Amino acid sequence: GQNIDQPTEMTATEGAIVQINCTYQTSGFNGLFWYQQHAGEAPTFLSYNVLDGLEEKGRFSSFLSRSKGYSYLLLKELQMKDSASYLCAARDNTDKLIFGTGTRLQVFP
Amino acid sequence: DTGVSQDPRHKITKRGQNVTFRCDPISEHNRLYWYRQTLGQGPEFLTYFQNEAQLEKSRLLSDRFSAERPKGSFSTLEIQRTEQGDSAMYLCASSYTGGYTFGSGTRLTVV
Repeated sequence: GQNIDQPTEMTATEGAIVQINCTYQTSGFNGLFWYQQHAGEAPTFLSYNVLDGLEEKGRFSSFLSRSKGYSYLLLKELQMKDSASYLCAARDNTDKLIFGTGTRLQVFP
Repeated sequence: DTGVSQDPRHKITKRGQNVTFRCDPISEHNRLYWYRQTLGQGPEFLTYFQNEAQLEKSRLLSDRFSAERPKGSFSTLEIQRTEQGDSAMYLCASSYTGGYTFGSGTRLTVV
């Protein structure tokens, strides 16, 4: 079967660091995507990993371990505008994205 | 590049009516995907096209749902005999080299 697991909700304080974990099981694997989604809006692309290791892009980093079926998204220097849902998605062997339920992150002042 | 456009943004319909949504992908993107998203959940795959060919349809998708992509450009998603459980956000995404761009979605409310 195909399954993506991530926490439902997380909270953090402005200026802090938060790590959102994701584990996946898919029919084939062609990469791991992270999207940000504000309420009522389209998901917007944050990062993509296909090889093991860390990809850094400004305040956002994403890590992948293919052998463990595990990824995380790291958000540094949190800002209030980072309050959103963060979607983990694995691309399967037919090139479609399989999404987790999303992690709703609330950033408090 | 005007992004992925979806129309309408919102649709309220009575149970039992048919509805049709439209998606205009980024012009050079050959793949087009439809997803459904309910509150508090991630997007759920419905179907996808490569050019005009429908390559895959979710096994969970009722036969009341049909999608087309004539001439490999825009796509339509039709839901026949709508039910209250069809209330959701319907998202379209397009892709060319593996990056996926999502539209803002059509929010369907069935009353």
